[in-house]
Amino acid sequence: EPEVTQTPSHQVTQMGQEVILRCVPISNHLYFYWYRQILGQKVEFLVSFYNNEISEKSEIFDDQFSVERPDGSNFTLKIRSTKLEDSAMYFCASILRETDTQYFGPGTRLTVL
Amino acid sequence: AQTVTQSQPEMSVQEAETVTLSCTYDTSENNYYLFWYKQPPSRQMILVIRQEAYKQQNATENRFSVNFQKAAKSFSLKISDSQLGDTAMYFCAFMTTGNQFYFGTGTSLTVIP
Repeated sequence: EPEVTQTPSHQVTQMGQEVILRCVPISNHLYFYWYRQILGQKVEFLVSFYNNEISEKSEIFDDQFSVERPDGSNFTLKIRSTKLEDSAMYFCASILRETDTQYFGPGTRLTVL
Repeated sequence: AQTVTQSQPEMSVQEAETVTLSCTYDTSENNYYLFWYKQPPSRQMILVIRQEAYKQQNATENRFSVNFQKAAKSFSLKISDSQLGDTAMYFCAFMTTGNQFYFGTGTSLTVIP
């Protein structure tokens, strides 16, 4: 069964550094998402992406964040200047059609020191 | 505003017994989708079951079934014949037709041998 993949599985960075989290959605999917989950808390929506542009974003997704689909297969989340509170698990998800179930990747654990 | 409430932070069940996890939600939309996701210690989000709001029949997937009460905005998950591998965090989620997901805070389920 096709699956969403994410790399790296764990990223450790210093506060103020830039990080790029990578996702490879399922190949024929058209809608892409990033979520984050701070340890012990619920999964929070960050951003959705369709047709090479952001379709929706939450209040969490401020100017520090950006997304890109650079090459037709990867879907990246960039955090420009990481803060301690960015430490979380980041999940990527994708779907083919708007009404489909979202398939989640295994997540990237980001630790900001 | 769309909200999802899981009022049981932790639950436990004896192996082979049945357990029900509760979920309520709030929305003004008429067309939406409801999901239960399982998050084992590996942290990957795995779809357990999905329900379309326009369907009156409760969804069933092997040992997992839901009790969907649209008027009451309730969507509980029943796990029959609980197995040790069911130990995980369970998230109730709600998706609008704009395909943004909203998650509850989760219920940590422990299956006791």
